[in-house]
Amino acid sequence: AQKVTQAQTEISVVEKEDVTLDCVYETRDTTYYLFWYKQPPSGELVFLIRRNSFDEQNEISGRYSWNFQKSTSSFNFTITASQVVDSAVYFCALSEVQETSGSRLTFGEGTQLTVNP
Amino acid sequence: KAGVTQTPRYLIKTRGQQVTLSCSPISGHRSVSWYQQTPGQGLQFLFEYFSETQRNKGNFPGRFSGRQFSNSRSEMNVSTLELGDSALYLCASSLEGSTNEKLFFGSGTQLSVL
Repeated sequence: AQKVTQAQTEISVVEKEDVTLDCVYETRDTTYYLFWYKQPPSGELVFLIRRNSFDEQNEISGRYSWNFQKSTSSFNFTITASQVVDSAVYFCALSEVQETSGSRLTFGEGTQLTVNP
Repeated sequence: KAGVTQTPRYLIKTRGQQVTLSCSPISGHRSVSWYQQTPGQGLQFLFEYFSETQRNKGNFPGRFSGRQFSNSRSEMNVSTLELGDSALYLCASSLEGSTNEKLFFGSGTQLSVL
């Protein structure tokens, strides 16, 4: 069965610090997709990034960067120069390729990030 | 373009009652998924609908059911409510519901069962 683990339940940093959110996954599939979503206090999850299992290139988007390492089954997320607006719960999620079954995400437990001014 | 709309935003029910939650996807999106979020269990997949057909179902009892209408709007129903059903119920939509698509989530319905 697939599983996503985010061992860090809560992280608190001071503004402008860099912070890395860890994500480790388990799957028996060779083809799968990994996602990161952000959940602000308003409740809706906001998509941040998607990565497929064959693409191990790291990605940078502004202050956000992601490190995908298949060898360690990890997909970590780094925020550089954190800001108060980054405070939210961040979820890592896994989607296995199921040809006829449609979308189904397995989420990690989430990491509550608090950025203090 | 309007986002995913869920109604009502808050709901209070008592044990044994039933409840219906509504979700309107983004215009043009044909797939709707439902997730339950609780402090203890986190985010768990309930089911996914595409073109009025349930394609995928999570590990929830039969008290949880859903449907999708021809305009892609979806409802989920929970019968014989239990205290443990108290949760934030999130609806998400996507174009085709493919496993590699990003999902667009609504703000959820917060259900409290007393």
